[in-house]
Amino acid sequence: DIVMTQSPDSLAVSLGERATINCKSSQSVLFSSNNKNYLAWYQQKPGQPPKLLIYWASTRQSGVPDRFSGSGSGTDFTLTINSLQAEDVAVYYCQQYSTTPRYTFGQGTKLEIK
Amino acid sequence: EVQLVESGGGLVKPGGSLRLSCAASGFTFSTYSMNWVRQAPGKGLEWVSSINIGSTYIYYADSVKGRFTISRDNAKNSLYLQMNSLRAEDTAVYYCARGDGDYTPFDYWGQGILVTVSS
Repeated sequence: DIVMTQSPDSLAVSLGERATINCKSSQSVLFSSNNKNYLAWYQQKPGQPPKLLIYWASTRQSGVPDRFSGSGSGTDFTLTINSLQAEDVAVYYCQQYSTTPRYTFGQGTKLEIK
Repeated sequence: EVQLVESGGGLVKPGGSLRLSCAASGFTFSTYSMNWVRQAPGKGLEWVSSINIGSTYIYYADSVKGRFTISRDNAKNSLYLQMNSLRAEDTAVYYCARGDGDYTPFDYWGQGILVTVSS
């Protein structure tokens, strides 16, 4: 199975500043046939289910604010949250879906306000 | 509006059984693959099982293979997870989640249902 490793495990960022979360996969999730990275990001607020934020590594799900962006390719990916808002406090997970159905998630990154 | 509502959770003794249900509404259930994902208390997300639209492709995580059975009833817009031989380590919130076919992320999730395995 592909292992997804996120860094850091937790971070604290001031309101209005930028938060950056990294995700590394143990093997490439890029399909050369369509040049797509099979990588998604989810946000989970306390007491709520996960919410899909980004898929194909950089495509925002409908309704997701544009301060959230995803980048990277192959094995290294980044979720960036610009102008951090109080409502962005959550745990963020990356997920690979390139080896369906053996989906695997990162261990999560807890984002707090400094 | 897409809705997924889980039910059937609760407290069960080790070795016992439980059947979870997920009622879907707001979309054409029969055209989407479905999944179960769980989250142990204070832990991360773990994929459990997936089923395709016609129930012809069914997959399980190694941790539950041989003990859990996923199924669906497209006529009732429902997804199920039969859990047998439950262990303490199966204690978790179980989410049903929609997938738009193979090689796609999970775009909608239910609120989750807690399963506690304890004597």
